[in-house]
Amino acid sequence: AQSVSQHNHHVILSEAASLELGCNYSYGGTVNLFWYVQYPGQHLQLLLKYFSGDPLVKGIKGFEAEFIKSKFSFNLRKPSVQWSDTAEYFCAVTFTGGGNKLTFGTGTQLKVEL
Amino acid sequence: AAGVIQSPRHLIKEKRETATLKCYPIPRHDTVYWYQQGPGQDPQFLISFYEKMQSDKGSIPDRFSAQQFSDYHSELNMSSLELGDSALYFCASSLPTGNVMNTEAFFGQGTRLTVV
Repeated sequence: AQSVSQHNHHVILSEAASLELGCNYSYGGTVNLFWYVQYPGQHLQLLLKYFSGDPLVKGIKGFEAEFIKSKFSFNLRKPSVQWSDTAEYFCAVTFTGGGNKLTFGTGTQLKVEL
Repeated sequence: AAGVIQSPRHLIKEKRETATLKCYPIPRHDTVYWYQQGPGQDPQFLISFYEKMQSDKGSIPDRFSAQQFSDYHSELNMSSLELGDSALYFCASSLPTGNVMNTEAFFGQGTRLTVV
């Protein structure tokens, strides 16, 4: 069955540090890839998405992600995090033949310290 | 811009009671998805509707049912509630997809259900 894994469950960084959150999926076909952010008590907000084309995608709030097909990965990056980036980050995938339902990773809780 | 509206935002029910959650999609969105997010968990897909017909089904208990109405709003009905049903229930909507999968789902703010 298709699955999405996020290897970092909890990440603590100081402000201005660089961020990279890992996301891998298991599926050999066509996928669409998403990163969502969830602030405490809030709904899911889309950070960025990849459907096709340039594998390096830029999203909101200075985030970017790179799709590496050979590694089945879609890692999220930000060069310099801010305290306001403290939130939970979910990688999600839609798979060919799976309709448009999202399969989420288990999430990464990011805490940015001042 | 109009967003996905869910009501109520918070709901407290006792065990064995029933609950109805409502979702109003973004105008012109005809596809609705329901997700359940337990405490500290990732969102899990429950069910989706396209043009008022069920289009996909995930890990939705038999005690739950859902439908999409002629105005495209959707309701999730939950009966014989259990403590384990306590969760955040998200609704999302998207534009018509047909057989195209390149579309983005927009999420509502969720309904937090607490079963006591």
